Amino acid sequence: DAGITQSPRHKVTETGTPVTLRCHQTENHRYMYWYRQDPGHGLRLIHYSYGVKDTDKGEVSDGYSVSRSKTEDFLLTLESATSSQTSVYFCASRTSGKGRNTIYFGEGSWLTVV
Amino acid sequence: KNEVEQSPQNLTAQEGEFITINCSYSVGISALHWLQQHPGGGIVSLFMLSSGKKKHGRLIATINIQEKHSSLHITASHPRDSAVYICAVWDDYKLSFGAGTTVTVRA
Repeated sequence: DAGITQSPRHKVTETGTPVTLRCHQTENHRYMYWYRQDPGHGLRLIHYSYGVKDTDKGEVSDGYSVSRSKTEDFLLTLESATSSQTSVYFCASRTSGKGRNTIYFGEGSWLTVV
Repeated sequence: KNEVEQSPQNLTAQEGEFITINCSYSVGISALHWLQQHPGGGIVSLFMLSSGKKKHGRLIATINIQEKHSSLHITASHPRDSAVYICAVWDDYKLSFGAGTTVTVRA
């Protein structure tokens, strides 16, 4: 298994506070992704990165920002958390090359906004 | 955006039964994943397919590129196979996901 870890794994925060989730991978993968998973919606892409300092929006990016200053770290920030951002967040990574590479997921971060 | 449809949404089987999950997608792809997620757990890629058939233990995955269809089969199902199975296809550099199939295997 690829070494991909997320932190924190569980967090409860108050509405309006900033929250940062960290994804760390040790495989030197070029591409990294943040997804959220909600009942009835499945997995949805928030943001992704195709290299250091290179990021792009996914389908549910409003209210989220990301940063990638090093290959191994991809940070997801909720600038001002809202209850609608209560979710399970998954990070993923894969090597470069178009479409044919295995994707590896982190174990998930459970975020509750109260 | 590539639409990915899975069926059935839920499936209950008795231990030992043969299980099939289907996945259809709308546009051409380069590869398809079958993912497994146990309750409260992480997500693991079981297979990545671009053509033909792959087998790993009791799991078999097939894909028909012309028909834009893939199937995941579980032979001799076991309660530990109880999980959500998700079909996902590469759409450029991003994955498009099906809604998942919840499989419950009763002893």
